[in-house]
Amino acid sequence: QLHLQESGPRLVKPSETLSLTCTVSGGSISSSNYYWAWIRQSPGKGLEWIGSLFYSGSPYHNPSFESRVSISIDTSKNQLSLKLTSVTAADTAMYYCARQYTHYESWSDQWPLYYFDYWGQGTLVTVSS
Amino acid sequence: DIQMTQSPPTLSASVGDRVTITCRASQSINDWLAWYQQRPGKAPKLLIYQASRLEGGVPSRFSGSGSGTEFTLTINSLQPDDFATYYCQQYNRNSPFTFGQGTKLDVK
Repeated sequence: QLHLQESGPRLVKPSETLSLTCTVSGGSISSSNYYWAWIRQSPGKGLEWIGSLFYSGSPYHNPSFESRVSISIDTSKNQLSLKLTSVTAADTAMYYCARQYTHYESWSDQWPLYYFDYWGQGTLVTVSS
Repeated sequence: DIQMTQSPPTLSASVGDRVTITCRASQSINDWLAWYQQRPGKAPKLLIYQASRLEGGVPSRFSGSGSGTEFTLTINSLQPDDFATYYCQQYNRNSPFTFGQGTKLDVK
């Protein structure tokens, strides 16, 4: 059974960098049919997709976060990481990692991204001094 | 970005009822739509993808329909476990993935 577990500091000061890790167990982060994503949820903005990354590819980021976000994968540890710089109170949210389905489309020669089929339990990050 | 609008925001129903939740996209997304259920304190759970395909292990009382800009999630014969918040999400090509604001299904 696939399990995703987020971890990292629960309290971050304004203007600093939010750093989270998602550890994947029960499956490989190097799977060929899945991207790995970060999504957050706050009362004000609801569910927001932050970005997605394939283990050997380039990331896709939400343009709303483009200049502040960095997502990476460590295949040796089966982990996904998120860094969000210059945080403000508006970045206070529950942060989830999730697995995102993809498959090769021969007619378009692309790997489009689809739905999120497994989610971690989430970790609440508060931005406050 | 593609805006997803759900209605109603809140829906009150009883065990055994049939309920329908609507999700509208600001532009056509073909059938690139998923539905999720979120119980309090839990992560969202995938119910339906590609507008009408049921995720494995999801009870058959859940069904989805629609294409283009208008979609529905129907739950037949509501069970106590079904009282939760439901979200739609679009995954149209070349667009940031976006979610609806949610529909809270509570006990009448």
